[in-house]
Amino acid sequence: SQTIHQWPATLVQPVGSPLSLECTVEGTSNPNLYWYRQAAGRGLQLLFYSVGIGQISSEVPQNLSASRPQDRQFILSSKKLLLSDSGFYLCAWSRGNSPLHFGNGTRLTVT
Amino acid sequence: DQQVKQNSPSLSVQEGRISILNCDYTNSMFDYFLWYKKYPAEGPTFLISISSIKDKNEDGRFTVFLNKSAKHLSLHIVPSQPGDSAVYFCAATGNFGNEKLTFGTGTRLTIIP
Repeated sequence: SQTIHQWPATLVQPVGSPLSLECTVEGTSNPNLYWYRQAAGRGLQLLFYSVGIGQISSEVPQNLSASRPQDRQFILSSKKLLLSDSGFYLCAWSRGNSPLHFGNGTRLTVT
Repeated sequence: DQQVKQNSPSLSVQEGRISILNCDYTNSMFDYFLWYKKYPAEGPTFLISISSIKDKNEDGRFTVFLNKSAKHLSLHIVPSQPGDSAVYFCAATGNFGNEKLTFGTGTRLTIIP
């Protein structure tokens, strides 16, 4: 069966510090990968999606970037965090016509 | 611009009764709709979906109704159970298979024993 791992579960970072969140998927190959964010009082907003290694599409202009160095690895990064980057970050995967499968998320607090 | 709206942030329902969660959308290009359920400290899990060619889809205690003319869908849970207490997200896409979903803000459902 397929599983998705996302870490860390919680993170507190000062403004201006870098960020790296990692997500890996097991049990499938060539998945579509996604990064979503839920800010307080808002729905889940799609940040990035990837259909293959090195292929990243950005949905909204922002202070973040994403990379896919391996087929089942998706990384969310920032060089300098802003207060507005605080939120709940979710990695997800899909393949073919399957619904999105989410990881357990990372709660990021920028102080 | 919130294209998928869940206007009720919270809902409390007695155990055994029917829970009705509502969702409205504005984008006429949406043709596939999904409901996700989320427990604290976990990611959302897929619950049920409906294509725009249907007006109803049922799976056990869960039924989703779609009213295309009103751009409205609803999730019915009957009978409601304590384990149904969670946040429910409505989501929509105009291109199923390329899962760029647009999500609502969620409704927190609390089932009262």
